[in-house]
Amino acid sequence: DAKTTQPPSMDCAEGRAANLPCNHSTISGNEYVYWYRQIHSQGPQYIIHGLKNNETNEMASLIITEDRKSSTLILPHATLRDTAVYYCIVRGGGSQGNLIFGKGTKLSVKP
Amino acid sequence: DAGITQSPRYKITETGRQVTLMCHQTWSHSYMFWYRQDLGHGLRLIYYSAAADITDKGEVPDGYVVSRSKTENFPLTLESATRSQTSVYFCASSESRLGNTEAFFGQGTRLTVV
Repeated sequence: DAKTTQPPSMDCAEGRAANLPCNHSTISGNEYVYWYRQIHSQGPQYIIHGLKNNETNEMASLIITEDRKSSTLILPHATLRDTAVYYCIVRGGGSQGNLIFGKGTKLSVKP
Repeated sequence: DAGITQSPRYKITETGRQVTLMCHQTWSHSYMFWYRQDLGHGLRLIYYSAAADITDKGEVPDGYVVSRSKTENFPLTLESATRSQTSVYFCASSESRLGNTEAFFGQGTRLTVV
């Protein structure tokens, strides 16, 4: 079973920041938080991942709380092309290294 | 081109037929995965492979067979297709199964069993 909880859907206005929350209260010390998105029926696309520090790349920022029980993915200036299902995944190593997908959050960016 | 490719992109087959879905990656990644995606179930792991000649079952392996004779290829075979195997199939690869390594997905194969 997925180890994360996400809202099923969210709306965001085009050009505004999209903040997608994720709860992972049972995360272990060696497990990473990953974010993927899936646009329509395409293959999932990697966005970002982190362990305990906040991370930023050209696509998004990842904010992880100090207790690591929750995180937020931030798309700083959402566009219509960011409309997708966003998956938050907790991934460990070894036998826990498989990506187990939950139902994700359907983000709709509206003009 | 570098990346991960799946073939065919679309396939229609009849119940009882054997069908093989192909997956090829050019990064020499050790790990490869097969997922299926159905409405209401999200992505579910079918099989994974840690290296050539090493494979293991995921969440929903029944009715599927995999092999991995070469690092770059990971074919998925439905030995006797059933309607319940109608789905979109995604292949993925990852340099390792360490938590700090991202996985990359192919574009998927849409399989319809009639």
